[in-house]
Amino acid sequence: QVQLVQSGAEVTKPGSSVKVSCKASGGTFNSYAINWVRQAPGQRLEWMGGIIPIFGSTSNTQKFQGRVTITADESTSTAYMELSSLVSEDTAVYYCARDPSGTLGGTGYFDSWGQGTLVTISS
Amino acid sequence: SYVLTQPPSVSVAPGQTARITCGGDNIGSKNVHWYQQRPGQAPVLVVYDDSDRPSGIPERFSGSNSGNTATLTISRVEAGDEADYYCQVWDSGSDHYVFGTGTKVTVL
Repeated sequence: QVQLVQSGAEVTKPGSSVKVSCKASGGTFNSYAINWVRQAPGQRLEWMGGIIPIFGSTSNTQKFQGRVTITADESTSTAYMELSSLVSEDTAVYYCARDPSGTLGGTGYFDSWGQGTLVTISS
Repeated sequence: SYVLTQPPSVSVAPGQTARITCGGDNIGSKNVHWYQQRPGQAPVLVVYDDSDRPSGIPERFSGSNSGNTATLTISRVEAGDEADYYCQVWDSGSDHYVFGTGTKVTVL
């Protein structure tokens, strides 16, 4: 069973960037897609984008176009999500989640999730 | 983009059956997945591909999907089932994962 462990909570200022990590253990890192989902306080889950580590190919929603960078380091089985030009509305819990297929949308669901990383934007 | 609509809340007595709907345009043509999210915790997949259960998920959780509505059914509801539930699909039209609005299940 794959385990995803994320980096700790962050407090950062408006206009800055934040980078969240997601380290995988178990399974073969290259054989599945890692996605990022965020949840603002009291709000629904929202898919941000994902990466296929073996190819390095990424996809993200139009909402975050130009602000989100998703990368992966195969040598450490770690995925990263960096969000820039932060505003107060970016305050949320950010989750990484695995689609067990090797493509984005391959199975269409997320069978393993990280514990979540709270990112707080405050001046 | 594709929209999934859920009722904000469902209340059910212990031992009874809870039904949570998820509405979407011709959702019956898509594979629907359901997640349980307890307060302060990460979501957990409870049903995938309309009606399959991951290992470790009780048989009390079941799903169906037809027409414009998918349904998650929780039989013999327990206090521990109190949580938020989200439906989710892969929208091939936009190449996006899409989540529903979420339903809070309260056990009376």
